[in-house]
Amino acid sequence: EAQVTQNPRYLITVTGKKLTVTCSQNMNHEYMSWYRQDPGLGLRQIYYSMNVEVTDKGDVPEGYKVSRKEKRNFPLILESPSPNQTSLYFCASSRHRGNYGYTFGSGTRLTVV
Amino acid sequence: AQSVTQLGSHVSVSEGALVLLRCNYSSSVPPYLFWYVQYPNQGLQLLLKYTSAATLVKGINGFEAEFKKSETSFHLTKPSAHMSDAAEYFCAVSATQGGSEKLVFGKGTKLTVNP
Repeated sequence: EAQVTQNPRYLITVTGKKLTVTCSQNMNHEYMSWYRQDPGLGLRQIYYSMNVEVTDKGDVPEGYKVSRKEKRNFPLILESPSPNQTSLYFCASSRHRGNYGYTFGSGTRLTVV
Repeated sequence: AQSVTQLGSHVSVSEGALVLLRCNYSSSVPPYLFWYVQYPNQGLQLLLKYTSAATLVKGINGFEAEFKKSETSFHLTKPSAHMSDAAEYFCAVSATQGGSEKLVFGKGTKLTVNP
């Protein structure tokens, strides 16, 4: 089944403790992206990658890192999480840019205390 | 810069009634437009997309949307609401800046269907 898999689905952590949210897609998509979803703000792009070793900042990149060493994986790294990073995170992938639409993962609900 | 505005953060309809969710876009180039649906505790699922072919686009679950360039609108409709349509709906536009591309989302409309 074609899908984007995120792990974990739920995570509670403490301020400053480094964490990684994994994202993997099995559709051989070139384009991958991370979004965060917050009430009243909708979805905002954190980082994106147009292909292996090609990444760039989205609208809200502060406090996050990403890497794209393989085409299928696009992990999101929080080096020193803070409470304002408590959010619902989505990974998405697309065959290419433009009109293909994205396939989204099921989301990771992160709480930083 | 491309953007979308969804009118109404909450819409409530009776089962069997018409569903109309509004979306207006801003784009200096012909846009690619999308509607996504998010059911509780799930990710976003693509309902339909406009890619400059037909202006009336049919999607899954009986939904459709009409692209109206003169009104810069891409409203989502369904003739008869079902209880299972209760969800949050997001309109999005594909935005390009420099060599990059992303989806820019509206803030969402939560649809409630009353029995």
